[in-house]
Amino acid sequence: DAGVTQSPTHLIKTRGQQVTLRCSPISGHKSVSWYQQVLGQGPQFIFQYYEKEERGRGNFPDRFSARQFPNYSSELNVNALLLGDSALYLCASSLVPSLLTDTQYFGPGTRLTVL
Amino acid sequence: SQQGEEDPQALSIQEGENATMNCSYKTSINNLQWYRQNSGRGLVHLILIRSNEREKHSGRLRVTLDTSKKSSSLLITASRAADTASYFCATDGRAAGNKLTFGGGTRVLVKP
Repeated sequence: DAGVTQSPTHLIKTRGQQVTLRCSPISGHKSVSWYQQVLGQGPQFIFQYYEKEERGRGNFPDRFSARQFPNYSSELNVNALLLGDSALYLCASSLVPSLLTDTQYFGPGTRLTVL
Repeated sequence: SQQGEEDPQALSIQEGENATMNCSYKTSINNLQWYRQNSGRGLVHLILIRSNEREKHSGRLRVTLDTSKKSSSLLITASRAADTASYFCATDGRAAGNKLTFGGGTRVLVKP
C-alpha cells in the first residue's frame, strides 16, 4: 500500500506570494494533520481535519488555511508569505475518528523556501 | 510552545553501543510517542506508550514512562550506523488540545 504522499517536494517562493501544498493520506485514513518544521526544531501542529471538518488548529495566523476533500486528500494554503514561513511542511494521516491522537503516518514533506 | 523537551540535544556513539535519550513534558498526557527522522525527511513512528503503561519494547527499542516525573526515556540497544537520525518525543493530552505536540529532538550520530 502507498504511504502518505505530498507534493511538491520542493518549492521556492518570494515574500508576499501564496502557496498551496497537497497531501494524499494512506488509503482508508480519514484524518489528516499538517505540521510545520523549522530547521533544527521539532514539528509544530498547524491543523487537523477529519471527515472534511477542521478538528484542531495550532497557534498559526489566519494566513494559514486548509481544507479536506471528499477523497480525504488535503491542501494547505499559506498567503502573504514571510521569510519565517520557510520550513519543511509535513502531512500525517491516521485512522483516528476522534480528537485523541494515535499513531500518525507522515509523508516525506514539502520543503518551502521563501526568498 | 513545545510540550516535550529531549535531552541530550545531541549524542555521538560508536556502533554497537547503546543510546539513551530522555523526554520531559509539562502537563498530563494520554499517550507519548517516539518518532525518528532521517536527514530532514518525514517522521517514522517508532513506538507509542499509553499513560497507564510503564515500559514497552519493540525490537532493539525500549521505552519507559514515568508519569509521576513527567518523563520518558528511549533506549536503542546495539546501535547501528543506520540508527543515525533525529529522535523526537511527542505527547498528546487535554492541555495540548488533544493534538500531537513534539519536542525539539535528540540528534544521534552512530559512528561505524
